[in-house]
Amino acid sequence: AQSVTQLGSHVSVSEGALVLLRCNYSSSVPPYLFWYVQYPNQGLQLLLKYTSAATLVKGINGFEAEFKKSETSFHLTKPSAHMSDAAEYFCAVSVVTASKLTFGTGTRLQVTL
Amino acid sequence: EPEVTQTPSHQVTQMGQEVILRCVPISNHLYFYWYRQILGQKVEFLVSFYNNEISEKSEIFDDQFSVERPDGSNFTLKIRSTKLEDSAMYFCASLPPGREADTQYFGPGTRLTVL
Repeated sequence: AQSVTQLGSHVSVSEGALVLLRCNYSSSVPPYLFWYVQYPNQGLQLLLKYTSAATLVKGINGFEAEFKKSETSFHLTKPSAHMSDAAEYFCAVSVVTASKLTFGTGTRLQVTL
Repeated sequence: EPEVTQTPSHQVTQMGQEVILRCVPISNHLYFYWYRQILGQKVEFLVSFYNNEISEKSEIFDDQFSVERPDGSNFTLKIRSTKLEDSAMYFCASLPPGREADTQYFGPGTRLTVL
């Protein structure tokens, strides 16, 4: 069975600072990995995904993530935080195309002036 | 850009009542899903549906739950006799065919409140 661990339920950064949201996965087979963002009172929007191609994945809004098999990690980064990045971020894993997504517990990102 | 839509956005019901949550997936998508998110908790998988039958379900998806694709566009989740613990945000998702068949597209959710 697959699982995801997100370290840090709340992360606070200053505007313009580096954003780093951590995600570690567990999977017995090569995983598909995703980051979704949830703005207040909205649904889940795909930020980026890793599906066994390039290990450094670029997504929307300046976010990127690097798949590191040796560390079983898929951390999300953004060089410079913006106030509009404040949201809840979920890491998710699946192991077969079209199979269920297993989500982490989420990280709430706060961006301060 | 096509979107997954869900109705209603908020449903309030009494314990023991039946509710039907409705979703309209993106038109050419082939796989359909329901997830739920209890307030303050993570998003949990309920069920997946393909070719007019359930392809996978979680332990949460017991006999009180059912899904249906009654026509070519709607995908519904029915809870037969709601419990207080069914209060959650319910998300529908759909998956396209072909090269993009690894990305689920989510609707905005229906907030279900059971009193």
